[in-house]
Amino acid sequence: EVQLVESGGGLVKPGGSLRLSCAASKFSFPDHCMTWVRQAPGKGLERVAYINEDGSEKYYVDSVKGRFTISRDNAKNSLYLQMNSLTVDDTAVYHCARGIGWFAPWGQGTLVTVSP
Amino acid sequence: EIVLTQSPGTLSLSPGERATLSCRASQSVNSNYLAWYQRKPGQAPRLLIYDASTRATVIPDRFSGSGSGTDFTLTISRLEPEDFAVYFCQQYASSPMTFGQGTRLEIK
Repeated sequence: EVQLVESGGGLVKPGGSLRLSCAASKFSFPDHCMTWVRQAPGKGLERVAYINEDGSEKYYVDSVKGRFTISRDNAKNSLYLQMNSLTVDDTAVYHCARGIGWFAPWGQGTLVTVSP
Repeated sequence: EIVLTQSPGTLSLSPGERATLSCRASQSVNSNYLAWYQRKPGQAPRLLIYDASTRATVIPDRFSGSGSGTDFTLTISRLEPEDFAVYFCQQYASSPMTFGQGTRLEIK
């Protein structure tokens, strides 16, 4: 079964950093664009960043530009999200997803909590 | 930004009944670039429909999508027990991509 599994979430203080990982299996990872989507508590879903197949093109939502970096390692079938200068507004469940328009599959998500 | 408004917020039906869920956009969704997803507690969202009416791989044919422009509908023809979940729509026609707030489909 095509699968995405996120890891790396946790509790961090404002100003801190976290690196999220997303392990892909059962599909040709290098052939697909990938996206990070997040959902803050009580809020809607928000696309955070996406990356094209070879990593040469990246997109970020304005609220994370300059703080987050999306990357991928096609040899390891893995997607990453380096998050720096975290704020309480970054508290959310972060999902990785295959695609840049519609998404399939999604991972279950990893919780990032930014709290003093 | 295209705002997607889903209705109703909660839909209470019985297995075997027909469910009709609405997703209304604040502006026309070009090329009908609209998707529907199912979400169950503790699980990853699952793609049901893309491009407004194309069923995703291995999705049962009781799920269908229709609509164009600003009004879209997800129909579940005969509800199965496993269909009770939250459903949300997403537009990917224009940036920023946006999502609806969801419709909760509960057992009556």
